[in-house]
Amino acid sequence: DGGITQSPKYLFRKEGQNVTLSCEQNLNHDAMYWYRQDPGQGLRLIYYSQIVNDFQKGDIAEGYSVSREKKESFPLTVTSAQKNPTAFYLCASRDTGGRRANEKLFFGSGTQLSVL
Amino acid sequence: QKEVEQDPGPLSVPEGAIVSLNCTYSNSAFQYFMWYRQYSRKGPELLMYTYSSGNKEDGRFTAQVDKSSKYISLFIRDSQPSDSATYLCAMNSGYALNFGKGTSLLVTP
Repeated sequence: DGGITQSPKYLFRKEGQNVTLSCEQNLNHDAMYWYRQDPGQGLRLIYYSQIVNDFQKGDIAEGYSVSREKKESFPLTVTSAQKNPTAFYLCASRDTGGRRANEKLFFGSGTQLSVL
Repeated sequence: QKEVEQDPGPLSVPEGAIVSLNCTYSNSAFQYFMWYRQYSRKGPELLMYTYSSGNKEDGRFTAQVDKSSKYISLFIRDSQPSDSATYLCAMNSGYALNFGKGTSLLVTP
């Protein structure tokens, strides 16, 4: 059963702590993305990766870091530099084979991060 | 001006009504247009995907694109309480999608 798995579903961060959100996909997609969703703000792009060992900053990358060591995995670390981390985080992937249908993004079920 | 504008609502309609959801955009380079449905605290799921101007129908859902006016719509016929969700429009911007803020829809029995 192919899909995108995000874990944990809920995560709590203490002041000054780094936390890592997991995202795994078995869709064999090349591109992966992290979005942040705040109430009334829509989805904002944090980081994206088009291929293994390469990633690019999105619109709101400050205070976040990522890695892409494997095609299937794209973890997001929320660092202590991110002063307002409380949000719903969504991971997505896309097949970049070049066909029209490959513009579609497929999303995981999300991680709600809250500050203690 | 944001590239994609979407009225956040909320929009409340009685069961069986026809729902019209809309987005406008400013970037004429956008080519692919999508509608996602998102239930509370879940990931968005792709509902409709269109490439060209015109209409595309899938069951109770119709997506409409007017590139000349930079305006897209999603129509839901015979709306059901299970359609209550947030609907996000999205369009391509090269490497990633640009999303509207989403419209919250409530269908009351």
